[in-house]
Amino acid sequence: SQQGEEDPQALSIQEGENATMNCSYKTSINNLQWYRQNSGRGLVHLILIRSNEREKHSGRLRVTLDTSKKSSSLLITASRAADTASYFCATVSGGSNYKLTFGKGTLLTVNP
Amino acid sequence: EAGVTQSPTHLIKTRGQQATLRCSPISGHTSVYWYQQALGLGLQFLLWYDEGEERNRGNFPPRFSGRQFPNYSSELNVNALELEDSALYLCASSSGLQETQYFGPGTRLLVL
Repeated sequence: SQQGEEDPQALSIQEGENATMNCSYKTSINNLQWYRQNSGRGLVHLILIRSNEREKHSGRLRVTLDTSKKSSSLLITASRAADTASYFCATVSGGSNYKLTFGKGTLLTVNP
Repeated sequence: EAGVTQSPTHLIKTRGQQATLRCSPISGHTSVYWYQQALGLGLQFLLWYDEGEERNRGNFPPRFSGRQFPNYSSELNVNALELEDSALYLCASSSGLQETQYFGPGTRLLVL
């Protein structure tokens, strides 16, 4: 079953614009990770935010985490055509049932 | 530093046959994870190996099995292949629990 739910399912913007994707989850987590996937290929790790962190930056990426609302957002600033990909959030719960649970992803299209 | 590698890149089998997929983790990583990405079903957790032992498995039948070797590389075996096993199989590795999982490029399995 999917833990994370990304919103929107698809997003189309122009180069230079910002793109915001949201992720909601259901159970308590240890950390939340964002990944990018180009055209059904391997996943590229973007950023990991732990449950005790609220915001994290990496280059043009900004991730926020609100554990009270069980939600996270990924902001890509000054988007480029090369950012076109599917973006997934994945949550990690702890204990013996440790695993990464992915949402269904947001398909981002950046038009040149 | 070499990333996670997987072989083969593509595999074509017929129903009832067995498939073996291989994964080499990043040097120093002891945990290996397997995921299935089937069309319309998203990324589903399959198996987690750490220090040579199976630590957790997802909601898949027993004909999905695997192992981890002393050098931490891993093998995923799928017996009695069914058409719905056609998918991209992704392997990931990490240096420990709660740490970032780094993904390989995947093996695309087609069952005819």
